Amino acid sequence: GEDVEQSLFLSVREGDSSVINCTYTDSSSTYLYWYKQEPGAGLQLLTYIFSNMDMKQDQRLTVLLNKKDKHLSLRIADTQTGDSAIYFCAESNQAGTALIFGKGTTLSVSS
Amino acid sequence: NAGVTQTPKFQVLKTGQSMTLQCAQDMNHEYMSWYRQDPGMGLRLIHYSVGAGITDQGEVPNGYNVSRSTTEDFPLRLLSAAPSQTSVYFCASSRAGPSEKLFFGSGTQLSVL
Repeated sequence: GEDVEQSLFLSVREGDSSVINCTYTDSSSTYLYWYKQEPGAGLQLLTYIFSNMDMKQDQRLTVLLNKKDKHLSLRIADTQTGDSAIYFCAESNQAGTALIFGKGTTLSVSS
Repeated sequence: NAGVTQTPKFQVLKTGQSMTLQCAQDMNHEYMSWYRQDPGMGLRLIHYSVGAGITDQGEVPNGYNVSRSTTEDFPLRLLSAAPSQTSVYFCASSRAGPSEKLFFGSGTQLSVL
């Protein structure tokens, strides 16, 4: 079945760049997603990339997609303490009826 | 604009008790879903619905029932609570399906003793 893998923790200093990596299994997913969860809250869509794109940039966020290796990454430039959160990578299941989420990467930003 | 509203925010149950977690959205979304979030397990889909009167099972449906009598509401019922159902539960909705932006509620933290 579909599976999404992420590293569990990342610690960076304020002002540095953060790179969160993800691998997925279902190459038929039309879109791939990054969701952000702040403490005590639900998830919010951060950004997404269409499967026929290699890169998408949105202000401080850059998403890179390597379809051959089924690898997705999220780069946050000039990371701020407010970026501390859990970041989830997600893909659609084969039936297109649900999102499959990774276990989440906890990003800790120190000042 | 309320978005997705979940109630209650916190609940403690004894083993064997039943209860219903409420989820309501005011965005006229057709697609609604329930996830549970456990440490080290990420989010796992319990049940989902693509419209009123239509529901289907997700990855971990055992011990849970759902119904979708209206577009707005998608309650999750625990028939006989077990300690393994201790978790944080999230309801999420989108306009037409999961490939569109999912809007999440703020979650219900459930403890089963």
